[in-house]
Amino acid sequence: QLHLEESGPGLVKPSETLSLTCTVSGASVNNNTFFWGWIRQPPGKGLEWIGNIYYSGSTYYTPSLKSRVTISADTSKNQFSLKLTSVTAADTAVYYCARHYQQHLDYWGQGTLVTVSS
Amino acid sequence: SYEVTQPPSVSVSPGQTASITCSGDKLGHKYVCWYLQKSGQSPVLVIYEDYKRPSGIPERFSGANSGNTATLTISGTQAMDEADYYCQAWDRSSVIFGGGTKLTVL
Repeated sequence: QLHLEESGPGLVKPSETLSLTCTVSGASVNNNTFFWGWIRQPPGKGLEWIGNIYYSGSTYYTPSLKSRVTISADTSKNQFSLKLTSVTAADTAVYYCARHYQQHLDYWGQGTLVTVSS
Repeated sequence: SYEVTQPPSVSVSPGQTASITCSGDKLGHKYVCWYLQKSGQSPVLVIYEDYKRPSGIPERFSGANSGNTATLTISGTQAMDEADYYCQAWDRSSVIFGGGTKLTVL
């Protein structure tokens, strides 16, 4: 059974870098069938796609965050990661990792709340 | 950039049929999927590729997509179906979410 789990600091200071890791079990991030991605949800608001990564290392990002986002993968640990630079309070959200299969997201992590505050 | 639009809220009586729409330019030319999200939980895929149901999703959930509108239909709505529902499309290698619809079962 596929399982994804987000990990990382729950509190980040303004202007610093948010870093999260998604650990995958039950599937390989090195599999050419899937993409692996990040989605966030500010408190009380809707879902926002951040971006994803393919096994080849190709990445795709939402235009509004592209200048601040990096998604990478560590196949030796079966993990992929998110870095978001220069954060502000507007980046406070629950961050989810998920598996992309074709054009939908079929497995999601439980999410982790990241608060941006000094 | 491409956008899809959902009504903020839909209400339905138990046992009745709920319909949630998702609108976008020529949306019928794209695949649409739907997620439900209960309070405090992660989203769950309920429909993909317009009308297909993942394993474990009840048959009362169905989907259609034509023209500029995709529709999620819940037949015989139950109290447990009360949740936020999000449609999602794919455009130019990007995932596009609708703003979400809160389904209330009165």
